Amino acid sequence: KAGVTQTPRYLIKTRGQQVTLSCSPISGHRSVSWYQQTPGQGLQFLFEYFSETQRNKGNFPGRFSGRQFSNSRSEMNVSTLELGDSALYLCASSFVLAGADTQYFGPGTRLTVL
Amino acid sequence: DQQVKQNSPSLSVQEGRISILNCDYTNSMFDYFLWYKKYPAEGPTFLISISSIKDKNEDGRFTVFLNKSAKHLSLHIVPSQPGDSAVYFCAASAQGGSEKLVFGKGTKLTVNP
Repeated sequence: KAGVTQTPRYLIKTRGQQVTLSCSPISGHRSVSWYQQTPGQGLQFLFEYFSETQRNKGNFPGRFSGRQFSNSRSEMNVSTLELGDSALYLCASSFVLAGADTQYFGPGTRLTVL
Repeated sequence: DQQVKQNSPSLSVQEGRISILNCDYTNSMFDYFLWYKKYPAEGPTFLISISSIKDKNEDGRFTVFLNKSAKHLSLHIVPSQPGDSAVYFCAASAQGGSEKLVFGKGTKLTVNP
């Protein structure tokens, strides 16, 4: 089985721009979660989608949004980028809800905001 | 509010010895706990989990202990190997998984040959 894939792997943007990150879960997995990892902050939960519905949301501003398609693929969008948005963005998939199942992570998208 | 705390940012042990990574939590509703390992430039990988109905779970060299009264869990790695050098994240969830998974900030383990 193919693992979780994320595109692009690296991205450089400037302040004020917007960005869209993509995640393809493991085949058959219906839950996709997004996390932001910054040095010293661990993995901070952004949101979780299950069967195209947002199930949980973390404490991030409305500039961070996401969606899930009928094939379980998910996209995350960040608008009006700020320098502090520079981070590794990780996507993880699981068969059932993330809190009750093993999550499989993708390699991440490294976003740099200049 | 950090509900899952890993108070040691780093830990260094000798190859062959025991590594003990600790994790404390504040939310008494947490009922499922997991450990993930992360190498640089890779996503985290699942290591081991434990449900709140148990106090110990083993998988090869890895054992997780849960002390619900102290709201504390620990990961023991015996014997430690250089390939175990990575960042270890503790995570917890509540309500049978309907609540979001909460991660700690991680502990960087270095196993010296």
